[in-house]
Amino acid sequence: EVQLVESGGGLVQPGGSLRLSCAASGFTFSSYWMSWVRQAPGKGLEWVANVKQDGSEKYYVDSVKGRFTASRDNAKNSLHLQMNSLRAEDTAVYYCARVNIEAAGEDYWGQGTLVTVSS
Amino acid sequence: DIVMTQSPDSLAVSLGERATINCKSSQSVLYSSNNKNYLAWYQQKPGQPPKLLIYWASTRESGVPDRFSGSGSGTDFTLTISSLQAEDVAVYYCQQYYSTRSFGPGTKVDIK
Repeated sequence: EVQLVESGGGLVQPGGSLRLSCAASGFTFSSYWMSWVRQAPGKGLEWVANVKQDGSEKYYVDSVKGRFTASRDNAKNSLHLQMNSLRAEDTAVYYCARVNIEAAGEDYWGQGTLVTVSS
Repeated sequence: DIVMTQSPDSLAVSLGERATINCKSSQSVLYSSNNKNYLAWYQQKPGQPPKLLIYWASTRESGVPDRFSGSGSGTDFTLTISSLQAEDVAVYYCQQYYSTRSFGPGTKVDIK
């Protein structure tokens, strides 16, 4: 059974940093692109970043470029999102998701971890 | 960047009736080399993560009931629920993956 479990969320002050992690199991992690998607409270979905199977390619939404860094550790079946210079508008539930084998949509999602940026 | 729009913002449909959601992209998401539309649809129920329903604009994800269907090409797409069931109450999002990724704002579906 495919499982994705996010961790690392919490309350952080504006300008602070946080590192999210996603533990993957039940599939060959190194064979799939992975994504981070966020959802602000009561709002819609926003794609944040994705990472190629070997970590050699990473893409980000413009609003986080230069502040967030996605990475993966295929030996540990884990995905990470280092978030620096956090802003109030980064407050959201952050989901880790697997991109399907055709690289066409995210077919498995974690339950998400809440990040709150507030003083 | 490709901007996705959806209409309507919300709709209420009687049980057993058809629900139709529209999605429009700011530029074509049809890749000419493989003739595929890089467009997916998701369902999200309250308190749950999104669920992939359809990809390549019309390919149903495994396990998704056949009352869900996707159509369209280029910049205009439609998600149809042929006979609305109570469990279909949710917010539906379209997503393009032609150029990185972006989601539409969502359409809320309720029972009339």
